[in-house]
Amino acid sequence: DAKTTQPPSMDCAEGRAANLPCNHSTISGNEYVYWYRQIHSQGPQYIIHGLKNNETNEMASLIITEDRKSSTLILPHATLRDTAVYYCIVRARLIYNQGGKLIFGQGTELSVKP
Amino acid sequence: ETGVTQTPRHLVMGMTNKKSLKCEQHLGHNAMYWYKQSAKKPLELMFVYSLEERVENNSVPSRFSPECPNSSHLFLHLHTLQPEDSALYLCASSQEGGGSSYNEQFFGPGTRLTVL
Repeated sequence: DAKTTQPPSMDCAEGRAANLPCNHSTISGNEYVYWYRQIHSQGPQYIIHGLKNNETNEMASLIITEDRKSSTLILPHATLRDTAVYYCIVRARLIYNQGGKLIFGQGTELSVKP
Repeated sequence: ETGVTQTPRHLVMGMTNKKSLKCEQHLGHNAMYWYKQSAKKPLELMFVYSLEERVENNSVPSRFSPECPNSSHLFLHLHTLQPEDSALYLCASSQEGGGSSYNEQFFGPGTRLTVL
């Protein structure tokens, strides 16, 4: 699975959009980009995933560059409850019966401030 | 509430004790996982079970022994642990295969383990 690079920390003002970047320059054609977040002392929570098209759900938007070497997670109106560590993970589509495998890096610690 | 529960939430044990961590998923998933998160470190995958068969053991010491009696339950048996094993132990489940592209993993709240 491809390696990802994220800034260690970011700040965002409450109510503003939080844009979290991720570099994955060695991504393969069959690898998806996943985003999870972990609020302090809780288990990680799935946010969104994508292959090559931009994606949006009720939590966030995911923008993947055309060459797929980087992506940005966008929280459109950050709240204090969005303060967490955000993980960008690249993973290939699984073979049945092999189980999943998420390789977590250090992630980006997002602090949303009033 | 993610549909994955873990007990106990906190555990303090001595190095000579034997204890077990329990995970239960109520989502009908076919894969379950144990992760370890030490202070200031990323999550580390320990074990993967798919359809109740262990498919991955990520070089974990034998003092950690997983058990998956059925698709809804996962245990982590602990014996003669070391203080450096103190960490947050997280269980997760997912539905793998079947043409699904995302295989989202749902995590439990974790067990905070302290080894004295």
